[in-house]
Amino acid sequence: EVQLVESGGNLVQPGGSLRLSCAASGFTFSTYAMSWVRQAPGKGLEWVSTIGGSGGSKYNADSVKGRFTISRDNSKNTLYLQMNSLRAEDTAVYYCAKGIWSTSSSYFDFWGQGTLVTVSS
Amino acid sequence: EIVLTQSPGTLSLSPGERATLSCRASQSVTSSYLAWYQQKLGQAPRLLIYGASSRATGIPDRFSGSGSGTDFTLTISRLEPEDFAVYYCQQYGTSPPSFGGGTKVEIK
Repeated sequence: EVQLVESGGNLVQPGGSLRLSCAASGFTFSTYAMSWVRQAPGKGLEWVSTIGGSGGSKYNADSVKGRFTISRDNSKNTLYLQMNSLRAEDTAVYYCAKGIWSTSSSYFDFWGQGTLVTVSS
Repeated sequence: EIVLTQSPGTLSLSPGERATLSCRASQSVTSSYLAWYQQKLGQAPRLLIYGASSRATGIPDRFSGSGSGTDFTLTISRLEPEDFAVYYCQQYGTSPPSFGGGTKVEIK
């Protein structure tokens, strides 16, 4: 059974940093691209970032370029999102999502339950 | 970036009725790489349809997807009580991937 479990969400001040983690199980983690998708309170879904299965290819939304860094540790079956220079508009539930291709973004066949990031003073 | 516009914003229907949800793209979606998701309050999205018309594993056959190019439709043939939720379309044929704003299907 595929499981994705996010952690690391918290209340942080504007300009602060946070690192999210997503522990994966139930599939061959290194084979698939993984992504972060966020959802601001009461709003729709927004793709944030994707990393290829080997970690060699990375893609970011313009809204987070230069501030967020996606990475993965295939030996630990874990996906990360390092978030720096956080802004109020980054407040959202962050979902870890599994893609169906190895190198680029695709549709997402499994999602974690999400972790809440709140940016506020 | 491909912008997806979903309509209507809210659909008020009764159980047993047919629901027709629209997703229109600002430019043609490559290879009909369009997916639909269902999201219930407080839950993560769940994949329903990929490739515009292929049902994901375990999805009941009352859910069907159709369309190509810039116009796509999700149809729920007979609404069950558990189908009242928000539905999102997503294109993944052109980077960056993008989502529509969602359609809420509510009980009339």
